[in-house]
Amino acid sequence: DVQLLDSGGGLVQPGGSLRLSCAASGFAFSNFPMSWVRQAPGQGLEWVSSIGGSGNNIYYADSVQGRFTISRDNSKNTLYLQMNSLRADDTAVYYCAKDLSRGSQTHYFDYWGQGTVVTVSS
Amino acid sequence: DIVLTQSPATLSLSPGEKATLSCRASQSVSNYLAWYQQKPGQAPKLLIYDASNRATGIPARFSGSGSGTDFTLTISSLEPEDSAIYYCQQRVHWPPRCSFGLGTKLEIK
Repeated sequence: DVQLLDSGGGLVQPGGSLRLSCAASGFAFSNFPMSWVRQAPGQGLEWVSSIGGSGNNIYYADSVQGRFTISRDNSKNTLYLQMNSLRADDTAVYYCAKDLSRGSQTHYFDYWGQGTVVTVSS
Repeated sequence: DIVLTQSPATLSLSPGEKATLSCRASQSVSNYLAWYQQKPGQAPKLLIYDASNRATGIPARFSGSGSGTDFTLTISSLEPEDSAIYYCQQRVHWPPRCSFGLGTKLEIK
């Protein structure tokens, strides 16, 4: 079975940093693009960033460009999101999500992690 | 940026009834549209992609239609477990990215 386990969330002060991880199992991780999607409290979904299977083809939402860095370690079947210069409006549940199709990024997400909570507050 | 507008915001129906949820894009997205179901405290679940293709394991009572700017998710005969928020999502080829609508909350009486 496909499993995605998000971790690394927590409480951080404005301007601080945090690194999220997503441990994947049950599929050929290196073959599939992956993404991070977030959901602010009581709000809708916002795509954050995506990365190709080999670690190339990296894209960011305008709201996080220059502050967040997505990466992956295919030897460890793990996806990361390094978040710097955090702001209050980055407060959200962060989900990792697997792309539906191997190869090119469809940005359709057929499996999601359980989410990890990031709270940015002083 | 493409904006997705979902209607109605809330829908309250009884078991066995048909639900029709709408998603309108501010400009054409061809058929690059998906629907997700999210229950409280859970991650979203992919129901439909490319406007009308059911994802693996999704019951046949869920169907999607539309192209261009107007899309519909239909649930033919509601079950109590269909109570959830439903989001539409569009994707663009370049630069590769996607966005979601604000959701329709479906309540089963």
